[in-house]
Amino acid sequence: DADVTQTPRNRITKTGKRIMLECSQTKGHDRMYWYRQDPGLGLQLIYYSFDVKDINKGEISDGYSVSRQAQAKFSLSLESAIPNQTALYFCATSDGSRGQGYTFGSGTRLTVV
Amino acid sequence: DAKTTQPTSMDCAEGRAANLPCNHSTISGNEYVYWYRQIHSQGPQYIIHGLKNNETNEMASLIITEDRKSSTLILPHATLRDTAVYYCIVRGISGTYKYIFGTGTRLKVLA
Repeated sequence: DADVTQTPRNRITKTGKRIMLECSQTKGHDRMYWYRQDPGLGLQLIYYSFDVKDINKGEISDGYSVSRQAQAKFSLSLESAIPNQTALYFCATSDGSRGQGYTFGSGTRLTVV
Repeated sequence: DAKTTQPTSMDCAEGRAANLPCNHSTISGNEYVYWYRQIHSQGPQYIIHGLKNNETNEMASLIITEDRKSSTLILPHATLRDTAVYYCIVRGISGTYKYIFGTGTRLKVLA
C-alpha cells in the first residue's frame, strides 16, 4: 500500500456540486498539505495542517475548505465546484523534522463541467 | 522563502550525466535547497536537499556554490526513466515549512 493514498483518483463533477477529496497516510507524519496543479504549471498550496487542531490557509484557499479528521486523514472539499477548479490535486505529508522532504500522494484528477 | 530560477527545459543523452542548474541569489542563511522531480502527472518525488555542503545519495548529487547563490543537481548516469520535471525549491527551516513550487526544468533523456 502507498504511504499517502488519495481518493478518488479521477472525478468528473458538475458545476455547483460539493465534492470531497480524501487523503490518508501511513507515514505517521503530523503535517499534511493540499496542493493544486494546473496544466504546465507548478504546484500551489491550498491548505496545510501541522496537527489535528491546526489548519492554515495557503496561497489559493478561496473556494476550498479542509478537515483534519485524525492525524492520518486530511480531506479537501470544494463547496460549490466551478470549472476553473479543474486541476490535479495532490496531498503531501511531512514529519516536520529539520530539513526532511515531503511525501506526495499520486494525485486526484478533478474535472468540473 | 527565496525565489529560484531554472531553465525551462534540457536534454541529456542516456548514460551521460545530467546537470540541472538552479539560481537562488536571494537565499538566506537558514534556508535549505531542495530538489524534487515529477514524472508525467505523478506526485512529486523528493530527491535530495542541502544547506551548505555538497550532498550525495543513491539518486543524485547536489552541489551548492560557496556563496550559496546557486546549485546544481547531478544525475550521474541518466536513464530514460529520469525524464521528468525537476523542481528546485528553497525553504526555511522555521516558520510554516511550506514549499513554493516554480515551473521547474523539463528534462528529457534521449536514447
